[in-house]
Amino acid sequence: ETGVTQSPTHLIKTRGQQVTLRCSSQSGHNTVSWYQQALGQGPQFIFQYYREEENGRGNFPPRFSGLQFPNYSSELNVNALELDDSALYLCASSSLQDPYGELFFGEGSRLTVL
Amino acid sequence: AQTVTQSQPEMSVQEAETVTLSCTYDTSENNYYLFWYKQPPSRQMILVIRQEAYKQQNATENRFSVNFQKAAKSFSLKISDSQLGDTAMYFCASLFGNEKLTFGTGTRLTIIP
Repeated sequence: ETGVTQSPTHLIKTRGQQVTLRCSSQSGHNTVSWYQQALGQGPQFIFQYYREEENGRGNFPPRFSGLQFPNYSSELNVNALELDDSALYLCASSSLQDPYGELFFGEGSRLTVL
Repeated sequence: AQTVTQSQPEMSVQEAETVTLSCTYDTSENNYYLFWYKQPPSRQMILVIRQEAYKQQNATENRFSVNFQKAAKSFSLKISDSQLGDTAMYFCASLFGNEKLTFGTGTRLTIIP
């Protein structure tokens, strides 16, 4: 069974640039969620995708956008980067058929915005 | 708003001792799920234990158990016979109604040899 993988693991961008983060979900999972974890904080929900459609969104501006592909992999795009976007971005896969909603996380992509 | 609060930013305990991490939450829902997740240094977050709100019996997974007090909206994690590998950030999290998983701010636990 393949776990959740994310790329890249680390990256540095400058303010105003755009970034794309990628995630491959665990096999058998049809739902992908993205979280932002600032230093010393708990993860904050960005959005979730199910069957290539957004299925819930947290309190993040529209410059945070995403995609889910037919193979259930996903991308997180952030435009017009700001210094406060520096964080660990976590991808988690799950199955909507799971009543507990257990999430399986990747190791994250650490973004630094200078 | 539905919230999850962890009031202990850091804790440390000697190896083999027992430690309890606290968590409180606020919700108007009757049916919900509560979780403890572990995030080791530079490693991925994994589920430690979960509790369904409608079940009165406290969940147990080997050395990990919870004390779920629904009326008090409290959900603490007890780690017995602590091991060095238990050193990690621990996040309490909740799934209320149709909302997505909400995390607390975490407790950094250090097990001292």
